[in-house]
Amino acid sequence: EAQVTQNPRYLITVTGKKLTVTCSQNMNHEYMSWYRQDPGLGLRQIYYSMNVEVTDKGDVPEGYKVSRKEKRNFPLILESPSPNQTSLYFCASSFLSGGVDTQYFGPGTRLTVL
Amino acid sequence: GQQVMQIPQYQHVQEGEDFTTYCNSSTTLSNIQWYKQRPGGHPVFLIQLVKSGEVKKQKRLTFQFGEAKKNSSLHITATQTTDVGTYFCAANAGNNRKLIWGLGTSLAVNP
Repeated sequence: EAQVTQNPRYLITVTGKKLTVTCSQNMNHEYMSWYRQDPGLGLRQIYYSMNVEVTDKGDVPEGYKVSRKEKRNFPLILESPSPNQTSLYFCASSFLSGGVDTQYFGPGTRLTVL
Repeated sequence: GQQVMQIPQYQHVQEGEDFTTYCNSSTTLSNIQWYKQRPGGHPVFLIQLVKSGEVKKQKRLTFQFGEAKKNSSLHITATQTTDVGTYFCAANAGNNRKLIWGLGTSLAVNP
């Protein structure tokens, strides 16, 4: 089944404790991105990757890191999480075909930083 | 930066009533996409519009892209409880693949 998976789905952590949220897709998509979703603020892009070893900042990259060593994986790293990073995080991947660029979203990771 | 304004923020309807959400941009858009997010779920792609004045239908859903490619709408005819969720528009304004997202319209349907 074509899908984007994220782990963990839920995480409660404390300020300053490094964490990684994994994202994996099995559709051979070259484009992947991370979003955070907060009430009243919609979806905001954190980082994106056009392909392996190619990453770039989105709209709200501060406090986050990413890597793209393999096409299927795009982990999101919070080196020193803070309470303002409490949010719902979505990973997405997409493939441009026939002019249509469809984004497939993972199920989301709900992060709470105390 | 570039923005896409989406209205209304919330809409509450009786089952069977129609519903419309609108997205507006001050700049010309390359294309616009629509997504639906059910409560507790993730956004799911519905459709992409590319051509000026384009109209596409998916059963009870009608999507339009304005003639000037600066606005778009999603209309649902005779809403059902399964239509509950938040509808987002997301637009491409340039040659890159970065999407500019509207803030979404949350639809509640009374049975």
